[in-house]
Amino acid sequence: QSVLTQPPSASGTPGQRVTISCSGSSSNIGSNYVYWYQHLPGTAPKLLIYRNNQRPSGVPDRFSGSKSGTSASLAISGLRSEDEADYYCAAWDDSLSGRLFGGGTKLTVL
Amino acid sequence: EVQLVESGGDLVKPGGSLRLSCAASGFPFSSYSMNWVRQAPGKGLEWVSSIGGTSRSIYYADSVKGRFTISRDNAKNSLYLQMNSLRAEDTAVYYCAKEEHTEAFEIWGQGTMVTVSS
Repeated sequence: QSVLTQPPSASGTPGQRVTISCSGSSSNIGSNYVYWYQHLPGTAPKLLIYRNNQRPSGVPDRFSGSKSGTSASLAISGLRSEDEADYYCAAWDDSLSGRLFGGGTKLTVL
Repeated sequence: EVQLVESGGDLVKPGGSLRLSCAASGFPFSSYSMNWVRQAPGKGLEWVSSIGGTSRSIYYADSVKGRFTISRDNAKNSLYLQMNSLRAEDTAVYYCAKEEHTEAFEIWGQGTMVTVSS
């Protein structure tokens, strides 16, 4: 079981807004930046959000990140079929001296 | 073009050893920390290890500490992962990832498969 807790699944219809949560603790999310990755099986993971709420160039503004205390969220607005993928949050953990990934959330576009 | 290409994945027996390589190109390799991340079949992403540009800072996940060794050769633009005492639970696709100065993993390789089975 991951130290960063994500819901195992999420779903929405095209055009909808969905939110994926990531819950941690004071040693990881509470004191470090949060990152979000999109992963399609068989491909390389893709960075969506860095340093809590920053988007790399090329990532649509439909994707946004936020953080409050020891939790973070990824929001996807205007849901599209190509958004169907696995989504992971990540953060450094000061107690473990290592990087953590959440357990992942499988997003289904209905 | 920035590129990472992993190699070395194979089928190995429990208790065996394997060395993974990651060839980097398109960026000043020695200026960036590098990481290994794995994904076991049907499981999520798991960070394995990281190494700073000068190899002075090295970190490992508890699950591999004492068994795996990360290293790099900046003259060859290459990253390595020496894996010893392999277990069935080490079976996974192993990705190398370039760590940006924002600490984000923005560039990933396509992965190399390691299977530990008798």
